[in-house]
Amino acid sequence: AQSVTQLGSHVSVSEGALVLLRCNYSSSVPPYLFWYVQYPNQGLQLLLKYTSAATLVKGINDFEAEFKKSETSFHLTKPSAHMSDAAEYFCAVRELNNNDMRFGAGTRLTVKP
Amino acid sequence: EAGVAQSPRYKIIEKRQSVAFWCNPISGHATLYWYQQILGQGPKLLIQFQNNGVVDDSQLPKDRFSAERLKGVDSTLKIQPAKLEDSAVYLCASSLENSPLHFGNGTRLTVT
Repeated sequence: AQSVTQLGSHVSVSEGALVLLRCNYSSSVPPYLFWYVQYPNQGLQLLLKYTSAATLVKGINDFEAEFKKSETSFHLTKPSAHMSDAAEYFCAVRELNNNDMRFGAGTRLTVKP
Repeated sequence: EAGVAQSPRYKIIEKRQSVAFWCNPISGHATLYWYQQILGQGPKLLIQFQNNGVVDDSQLPKDRFSAERLKGVDSTLKIQPAKLEDSAVYLCASSLENSPLHFGNGTRLTVT
């Protein structure tokens, strides 16, 4: 069965520092992978998605993620954190031809001035 | 395009009472999902519809939860009777085939 594990329930960085949020997946077949962001009292918004094309995926707000099959990872990065990036981030997996999407437990990103 | 609409935004009820949530998906999206998000956790799928048919309801507590999607558009999720552990945000999402999910802002339920 497909699943994702997000390492670190809380990450804190300084404004301008590199953001790295970790996600590992398990799936019996090559999956689709997603990163979503959730701001307080809002639903989830799609940041980026991997659908078996380029392994380095660029998303909105300068976020990007790299699919590494050998490591079963899909870590999210951003070169320089901004205060407005403070939110909860969720990694999600969905197998091909299956609309069932499974989410990780989430990582709360805090950005210090 | 208009997003996924959910109502109400907030609901407070006492345990053993009943509650219903409403969702209007993005026009043309055949697939509709209800997720439960408990504080500090990721969303958990409760039920998935394809048009007006149920695709997956394996994680829906059917003794108290029910959902329907009449005419393959709007959907309602009902809890009867509610328990304290049902306190959560209930998220509705919709999608096209093999496309990312679009989420509504959710309904925050507090059971006292």
